[in-house]
Amino acid sequence: DAKTTQPPSMDCAEGRAANLPCNHSTISGNEYVYWYRQIHSQGPQYIIHGLKNNETNEMASLIITEDRKSSTLILPHATLRDTAVYYCIVRAPYGSSNTGKLIFGQGTTLQVKP
Amino acid sequence: DTGVSQDPRHKITKRGQNVTFRCDPISEHNRLYWYRQTLGQGPEFLTYFQNEAQLEKSRLLSDRFSAERPKGSFSTLEIQRTEQGDSAMYLCASSLATGGAETQYFGPGTRLLVL
Repeated sequence: DAKTTQPPSMDCAEGRAANLPCNHSTISGNEYVYWYRQIHSQGPQYIIHGLKNNETNEMASLIITEDRKSSTLILPHATLRDTAVYYCIVRAPYGSSNTGKLIFGQGTTLQVKP
Repeated sequence: DTGVSQDPRHKITKRGQNVTFRCDPISEHNRLYWYRQTLGQGPEFLTYFQNEAQLEKSRLLSDRFSAERPKGSFSTLEIQRTEQGDSAMYLCASSLATGGAETQYFGPGTRLLVL
């Protein structure tokens, strides 16, 4: 079972910031938070990941709460092409007992509207 | 583009036929994963390889499924005696496991329809 909880759907106006929440209250100290998205009929696309600190790249920002029990993915200026299913996944690092597999939940369907 | 590639992108077959899918990972990635995704669901793990060794298989991988990665580069996933329930998107991902965070990159998938 997935270790994360996400709202099933969200809407966002084009040009506005999209803030996608994720609850991972049972996360372990060495587990990373990963975000992927999947545009219709395509393979999942890696967005960003983090452990404790907030992270930013060219696609998005990841804000992780101090207790690490939740996080928010921020798309700063959403476009219609950002319409997709967004998956939040927690995963132990390579080298631990982790087998490497990603466990996907249902994700959040983000609809960006004009 | 040197991303993960999969072939074919679409496959239609009749029940009872065998099918084989190919995945070419990103060059020098030592881990390769197979996932299956049915309509409306997130991807589900099937199996993975580290180099040429198959290290884990999901319970979803019945005896009709077999995967290989003979030289630690490309991989094949074969389904024997296909059933209508095998209809799904089959996704391949690769990663470079060097310690710490390991990011998997996915291919475009092979969509299988069993009639």
